[in-house]
Amino acid sequence: DTAVSQTPKYLVTQMGNDKSIKCEQNLGHDTMYWYKQDSKKFLKIMFSYNNKELIINETVPNRFSPKSPDKAHLNLHINSLELGDSAVYFCASSQVGGGTDTQYFGPGTRLTVL
Amino acid sequence: LAKTTQPISMDSYEGQEVNITCSHNNIATNDYITWYQQFPSQGPRFIIQGYKTKVTNEVASLFIPADRKSSTLSLPRVSLSDTAVYYCLVGATTSGTYKYIFGTGTRLKVLA
Repeated sequence: DTAVSQTPKYLVTQMGNDKSIKCEQNLGHDTMYWYKQDSKKFLKIMFSYNNKELIINETVPNRFSPKSPDKAHLNLHINSLELGDSAVYFCASSQVGGGTDTQYFGPGTRLTVL
Repeated sequence: LAKTTQPISMDSYEGQEVNITCSHNNIATNDYITWYQQFPSQGPRFIIQGYKTKVTNEVASLFIPADRKSSTLSLPRVSLSDTAVYYCLVGATTSGTYKYIFGTGTRLKVLA
């Protein structure tokens, strides 16, 4: 049974389109995250939600909008996709959030913008 | 700007001990240091976590000096299956803002 799942695994789309990536965790965790991993394998946090409330919002374009319908789900919607958005996006969850928490990562969504 | 840096890559042979260091000058006072392992086409996976001195679990050890500005992940007797990218993760405070910062990642290649 997958602890943190993401859909789709691969996403290929044209510039200017709008797309969403979904994330679900069945660990009962309160905190969820979105990370972006670029072609050089650098991992950078984008957002963090705790119990459906946004607690970390890094400097990302406002074309990226996270939505948390409940604490088990954190979806990422991207408007007006650009070439530079091509990357692997990882969702993660942790018990409560904070520096002592272990984060559990999903398998990633590889986004390719043409 | 808070930076968390690691060596880009390392090669080792099976059975050897591997030490990977992470430099994290701006680590937040109360934050732990966590190390993750990532295989190709997978998400990062937790290896070990510590706050100070030394922590050991069934797969690795973590050494943290008193100033906590760096940490060293030690993998005893590596095998081919340990070939992966290793990341440190710390919480750091920069200009009063708390951030999660992953290290730049170290690509470990274990040779037969």
